[in-house]
Amino acid sequence: EAGVAQSPRYKIIEKRQSVAFWCNPISGHATLYWYQQILGQGPKLLIQFQNNGVVDDSQLPKDRFSAERLKGVDSTLKIQPAKLEDSAVYLCASSLGIMDVAFFGQGTRLTVV
Amino acid sequence: AQTVTQSQPEMSVQEAETVTLSCTYDTSESDYYLFWYKQPPSRQMILVIRQEAYKQQNATENRFSVNFQKAAKSFSLKISDSQLGDAAMYFCAYRRISGGYQKVTFGTGTKLQVIP
Repeated sequence: EAGVAQSPRYKIIEKRQSVAFWCNPISGHATLYWYQQILGQGPKLLIQFQNNGVVDDSQLPKDRFSAERLKGVDSTLKIQPAKLEDSAVYLCASSLGIMDVAFFGQGTRLTVV
Repeated sequence: AQTVTQSQPEMSVQEAETVTLSCTYDTSESDYYLFWYKQPPSRQMILVIRQEAYKQQNATENRFSVNFQKAAKSFSLKISDSQLGDAAMYFCAYRRISGGYQKVTFGTGTKLQVIP
């Protein structure tokens, strides 16, 4: 069974530029998560989808972050414009349902300079 | 709000020895899940073990076991016969069960070094 796929693995951008991350969840998983993991901290949930609907985006900085999950499968997370403090690893995860165990991808390491 | 505390930023263990990682949490709920996740340098979070709060029996997965003390709100992870591949960041996490959807709250992690 293929795992959660994320791209790119690494990204370096200048502040005020925009960036997008892509995630392909495990086939059949209805729930998809985006986490932000700042160096030295645990992952923090940014947004959670159930199929193509948003379940929780309470910690998403909506003035600069956006995410979508068209057709309830792949998802993209966008930052525009990026700030220095957005430097982090962005992890995507998926699960069969809301209360099931989540499986994580390898993340995208974003560096904003 | 629920909080998860890992008071050991770093730990080290000799290969083949046993090590225990600590975790405490704060909640007023009676029903919840607790997790230990491993994050190697590849960055992929891997579930190590899961414990349902209503189960008194401590969860075990091969060389990994937990000591779940519900009254003390403590959830430690014991790794027996430590191997070089166990070197990673370990995160303790909590999720409430009741009341519908609840997000997972992670601790700040413990970096485990395994010495050959």
